[in-house]
Amino acid sequence: QVQLVQSGDEVKRPGASVRVSCKASGYTFTSYDITWVRQATGQGLEWMGWMNPDSGDTGYEQKFQGRVTMTRDTSISTAYMELSSLRSEDTAVYYCARGSIAAFLWGQGTLVTVSS
Amino acid sequence: EIVLTQSPGTLSLSPGERATLSCRASQTIRSNYLGWYQHRPGQAPRLLIFGASSRATGVPDRFSGSGSGTDFTLTISRLEPEDFALYYCHQYGGSPPSATFGGGTRVEIK
Repeated sequence: QVQLVQSGDEVKRPGASVRVSCKASGYTFTSYDITWVRQATGQGLEWMGWMNPDSGDTGYEQKFQGRVTMTRDTSISTAYMELSSLRSEDTAVYYCARGSIAAFLWGQGTLVTVSS
Repeated sequence: EIVLTQSPGTLSLSPGERATLSCRASQTIRSNYLGWYQHRPGQAPRLLIFGASSRATGVPDRFSGSGSGTDFTLTISRLEPEDFALYYCHQYGGSPPSATFGGGTRVEIK
């Protein structure tokens, strides 16, 4: 079955970092870009960046430059998104998706709550 | 950065009616790189339209996309109960590549 399965929900303190994983199955992981998108409560969808799992090349939304890192482990077909220096405004559901021009397949979402 | 402006913010309609959603870009974008997504509460977004007018696999033909340049439209010909949701347009492109979503249009039951 072609799917993306994300890691579980997280609760973090302000200033901490969070790493969300996204495991791909049912297709060749290195053949499609992985995009990360988030949605804060009551807000719209926000594009965070993309990664080419084959080359490791990345592109980040300027807003997240310096705080976000997207990586992958091709041996286990898993992509990672790490966000550092967390603040309350980072409380959101984070999604990984397959594709960058158009995202045909999405993970189920991971809720990250930032609270003291 | 390309800004996508969606209108209206909310569309109040009855089942069976036609919905017309607009997405305007701050600069010309390539049609191949314009898509529409449906987002229901508690679910992951779902790709409806890619390349401005191509339906994704499994998307009913009551959904259609059109437009070019800076003006794009998503039309739902006859609203079904499951169509009441949020809709976002999305563009990808530039060098280095980046992407943006519009602010969304909520289609609600009147």
